[in-house]
Amino acid sequence: GAGVSQSPRYKVAKRGQDVALRCDPISGHVSLFWYQQALGQGPEFLTYFQNEAQLDKSGLPSDRFFAERPEGSVSTLKIQRTQQEDSAVYLCASSPAGTGGGQPQHFGDGTRLSIL
Amino acid sequence: GESVGLHLPTLSVQEGDNSIINCAYSNSASDYFIWYKQESGKGPQFIIDIRSNMDKRQGQRVTVLLNKTVKHLSLQIAATQPGDSAVYFCARLITLKLIFGTGTRLQVFP
Repeated sequence: GAGVSQSPRYKVAKRGQDVALRCDPISGHVSLFWYQQALGQGPEFLTYFQNEAQLDKSGLPSDRFFAERPEGSVSTLKIQRTQQEDSAVYLCASSPAGTGGGQPQHFGDGTRLSIL
Repeated sequence: GESVGLHLPTLSVQEGDNSIINCAYSNSASDYFIWYKQESGKGPQFIIDIRSNMDKRQGQRVTVLLNKTVKHLSLQIAATQPGDSAVYFCARLITLKLIFGTGTRLQVFP
């Protein structure tokens, strides 16, 4: 498709389980971002990739969160030993820009993660 | 600090009227601002952007105004339609990451 695709759209997991969320960015986009959006709040930055390089992971809440983009295209956000506070919508965005930015980021529809 | 805040959490307008959504930002080196629209169950959708060397930018039915003196950003929607109902976020770009405000919900009634 033409837009950013995320899967699954919904994920329910028990506390303590590991989860993996997938993002397919717009073809050719250099930059890929992950954001976390709590209910009623704006998205908050988690991490950023330029091609396969993870240039900023300052927003990852703990070492239970791990993201990768091994071939510079598809990205996976993994959360280990999930906790209830991890429940949120996880948004992926991509942009054609490399360093320097200045171009809009285009978002997928997110994965809604619920931890029981 | 680096923050973006909104004046009103909810804005209700009558169909056909103009809407104005406001956003204040704190002092920062950011020079790129974006407005996003988010409908229920969907990701933020790009509406319009503006750089700090501009005061105004117009799109289709939308206008963004940037007042750097008072650090204020606004989104104007002309002839508001039911399809405009959504949450609107202003965001600014800080070293490639977007910093979002908490959003304003726009409700359009007939």
